Amino acid sequence: GEEVAQTPKHLVRGEGQKAKLYCAPIKGHSYVFWYQQVLKNEFKFLISFQNENVFDETGMPKERFSAKCLPNSPCSLEIQATKLEDSAVYFCASSPPGRADYEQYFGPGTRLTVT
Amino acid sequence: QKEVEQDPGPLSVPEGAIVSLNCTYSNSAFQYFMWYRQYSRKGPELLMYTYSSGNKEDGRFTAQVDKSSKYISLFIRDSQPSDSATYLCAMSARSGGYNKLIFGAGTRLAVHP
Repeated sequence: GEEVAQTPKHLVRGEGQKAKLYCAPIKGHSYVFWYQQVLKNEFKFLISFQNENVFDETGMPKERFSAKCLPNSPCSLEIQATKLEDSAVYFCASSPPGRADYEQYFGPGTRLTVT
Repeated sequence: QKEVEQDPGPLSVPEGAIVSLNCTYSNSAFQYFMWYRQYSRKGPELLMYTYSSGNKEDGRFTAQVDKSSKYISLFIRDSQPSDSATYLCAMSARSGGYNKLIFGAGTRLAVHP
């Protein structure tokens, strides 16, 4: 597709429950990024993939967060045992080959509310 | 201190005004500078990107980068009510494949008729 698709739009989980978010990058793009946007517009980088390989995971709280990009499937971001502070909008972005430094196209986001 | 500083506003201007949005940064390794526009409850939309220092123009938008001062700007000419949004600056550094974006806090802009 021509746009990054993210599902679901909204997700509500009780504290301690699991949350799984999905992202379909733009067709032909080889990089996928996940960002977390919390209050006051603060964007935090979580993880990036080059095709199905993890490229940079320095932003991931590894004890509860995991992510995958498998061939012919949407990418996913999973949070085990959600906490109240995980409430945020999670954005996926994709980039064409060779242009990940400056052309990241964002999806509409998934709003996660942890109660 | 944050790597990228951006005045959150809000900035309110009349229709037709020239708008100036700015960011400063501390990491001299940043090489790519982007401006995104984000409408309420939507994803950021890439407006422009600039490599290193210089100017770039696209329609009513002009981006400027001054690496010596670690200062970037976005100018919007003939502003329209439809420009009302949050504007985010973002930067990246190519260092060993490092290409995650570091964002400013965003400036909320309101253009009133």
